[in-house]
Amino acid sequence: KNEVEQSPQNLTAQEGEFITINCSYSVGISALHWLQQHPGGGIVSLFMLSSGKKKHGRLIATINIQEKHSSLHITASHPRDSAVYICAVKAAGNKLTFGGGTRVLVKP
Amino acid sequence: SQTIHQWPATLVQPVGSPLSLECTVEGTSNPNLYWYRQAAGRGLQLLFYSVGIGQISSEVPQNLSASRPQDRQFILSSKKLLLSDSGFYLCAWNPDWRETQYFGPGTRLLVL
Repeated sequence: KNEVEQSPQNLTAQEGEFITINCSYSVGISALHWLQQHPGGGIVSLFMLSSGKKKHGRLIATINIQEKHSSLHITASHPRDSAVYICAVKAAGNKLTFGGGTRVLVKP
Repeated sequence: SQTIHQWPATLVQPVGSPLSLECTVEGTSNPNLYWYRQAAGRGLQLLFYSVGIGQISSEVPQNLSASRPQDRQFILSSKKLLLSDSGFYLCAWNPDWRETQYFGPGTRLLVL
């Protein structure tokens, strides 16, 4: 079993729909990252959080440390949100352990 | 502001040939530097990280090596490439291990 599991693996939504991506992990962590990888491969860090909730524009990330679970929500989704969303956890020191990613396609 | 560069952007190399990928960061000093690989259809994997010049930690034993000859330069090398080395190589940095990592544009490597 991987240390970081994401669901779903693939997600297709219509423009305007609310999207939720889930991340579960099995180790104690100091922080969790949500990353966005565009079709060309470039990666952008969306959030780093260790508790509670963060919001940036139409993106919301939440984490429940006790349940070892985080969610990334996209409100009013848009085709430009189409990307792979990756959850990564920081356990000890500098190391990030990555989930397998969720491929999101938002259709106009 | 800080920026991170990688080159080349794409590379096609024969099996058994050497490899050198370069990553540089501008606008900061003494960054933590990281090399990741993403094999086709797979997730990101940390290969190496460095907290200072000449300090390299290897996460996955393989035929790759890393060096940090200057404060803001991180190089990924191989003496003899394998087919399994094909993938997308990403460099990243952060000012402190507790902070967000910022990723470079990546190098797409195809070993034939």
